[in-house]
Amino acid sequence: NAGVTQTPKFQVLKTGQSMTLQCAQDMNHNSMYWYRQDPGMGLRLIYYSASEGTTDKGEVPNGYNVSRLNKREFSLRLESAAPSQTSVYFCASSAGDPKDTFGSGTRLTVV
Amino acid sequence: AQTVTQSQPEMSVQEAETVTLSCTYDTSESDYYLFWYKQPPSRQMILVIRQEAYKQQNATENRFSVNFQKAAKSFSLKISDSQLGDAAMYFCAYSGGSNYKLTFGKGTLLTVNP
Repeated sequence: NAGVTQTPKFQVLKTGQSMTLQCAQDMNHNSMYWYRQDPGMGLRLIYYSASEGTTDKGEVPNGYNVSRLNKREFSLRLESAAPSQTSVYFCASSAGDPKDTFGSGTRLTVV
Repeated sequence: AQTVTQSQPEMSVQEAETVTLSCTYDTSESDYYLFWYKQPPSRQMILVIRQEAYKQQNATENRFSVNFQKAAKSFSLKISDSQLGDAAMYFCAYSGGSNYKLTFGKGTLLTVNP
């Protein structure tokens, strides 16, 4: 039972570099989410996908793009990384029941 | 927009004692869900308990229970017989509407003293 798998677990980027965070779930869930966690801020929603082929902005979407590649996969792309994007990123999925299953997170540092 | 407020940045409890973590929220929706998530140092987000707003009965999961006061928009978590493994960051979260996205509070760091 893999659940929600995120890659990579750690990443260091230089300012201006681009990268894609990958997320895959094997639970046949319709909805997928990307959150970021900053110290003292809790988790904040970046983007979500209610179903395959749809994506919507969350609370903090600026500087990010997403792709719902298929039902299993939902990627988050940073086109030009900035130090303000240093954070821990979580992917989550839901079966249409509000009981999100989270991945183990990606710690991203932008220097 | 919905907001979730956790007014206690840090709490501590003695092992085997009881502790209550506070959470208030603001919403104009009538149908919603509330959650408590635990985040240990491993960083994994673990669902502890959830409450459906339409249910008057407070949810209970073993040593964890909630006090849900809908009119006051309050949702506190009580941990009984605290164990060392309960030490973690605890997040209160709200989910309303059809997309089930979560709005989190800022968290309460719980320390359990032996």
